[in-house]
Amino acid sequence: DAGVIQSPRHEVTEMGQEVTLRCKPISGHNSLFWYRQTMMRGLELLIYFNNNVPIDDSGMPEDRFSAKMPNASFSTLKIQPSEPRDSAVYFCASKTVQETQYFGPGTRLLVL
Amino acid sequence: DAKTTQPTSMDCAEGRAANLPCNHSTISGNEYVYWYRQIHSQGPQYIIHGLKNNETNEMASLIITEDRKSSTLILPHATLRDTAVYYCITPKETSGSRLTFGEGTQLTVNP
Repeated sequence: DAGVIQSPRHEVTEMGQEVTLRCKPISGHNSLFWYRQTMMRGLELLIYFNNNVPIDDSGMPEDRFSAKMPNASFSTLKIQPSEPRDSAVYFCASKTVQETQYFGPGTRLLVL
Repeated sequence: DAKTTQPTSMDCAEGRAANLPCNHSTISGNEYVYWYRQIHSQGPQYIIHGLKNNETNEMASLIITEDRKSSTLILPHATLRDTAVYYCITPKETSGSRLTFGEGTQLTVNP
C-alpha cells in the first residue's frame, strides 16, 4: 500500500493567492483528517470526515479555509486568500473504524 | 481529553532501553492511552495504545499503572532512527478520531 498521499509536497505562494492542498487516503479507510503544524501552536486538528461527510470542523481557523471530500479517495483543503500566517506543514491522515490514524508526509506551505 | 504531562526531552544511549513516562492523572475509565512519534520532517507515526493492560507490539511496550494515572512507553533497544518527538495522547473518543497532540518528549538516541 502506498500510504496516505499528499500533493504538492512543497508550495510557495504569495499573499492573497488561492492554495489547494490535496490528499488521497489509504484505500478502504473511511475517515480522513486534516491537521496543521506550526512551531507556535504545534499539531492541530482542523477538520475530519467520516464516509465523506464533515464531522467536526471546529478547528478550521476561519472562513478563508475550506475542505471538501467529493469521494472516498480524494480530499482537498483550500485557503483563499492565503496569508503569511498560514505558513505551516499540513498533514492529512486516514483510518478505518478499528484502526488508528495513518499520516501522510505533509505539505510544506510558505506564504510570502 | 485528559491532560497529559511529559518531560520535554530525554536522552538514551543506542542499544539501551528508552523509557518515556507520561502522566494522565485525570484520565477517565474509557479513555485509551495512545502513543505516536514524529521523526523530523515526517508525519506522525502510530506506535501503540492501551486501556488497562500492558501492551506489546513489534515497536514498543506500553506499561500502564494500575490506577491508570500514568504510563511508560518502552523502546527495548533504542536505535539512532528512534530519535523523534514522542506524543502521549488520551483521546476522549474511543475510536481515536480526535487526537490532541501536546508538546511531547524529544527523545535523542546517542551513539
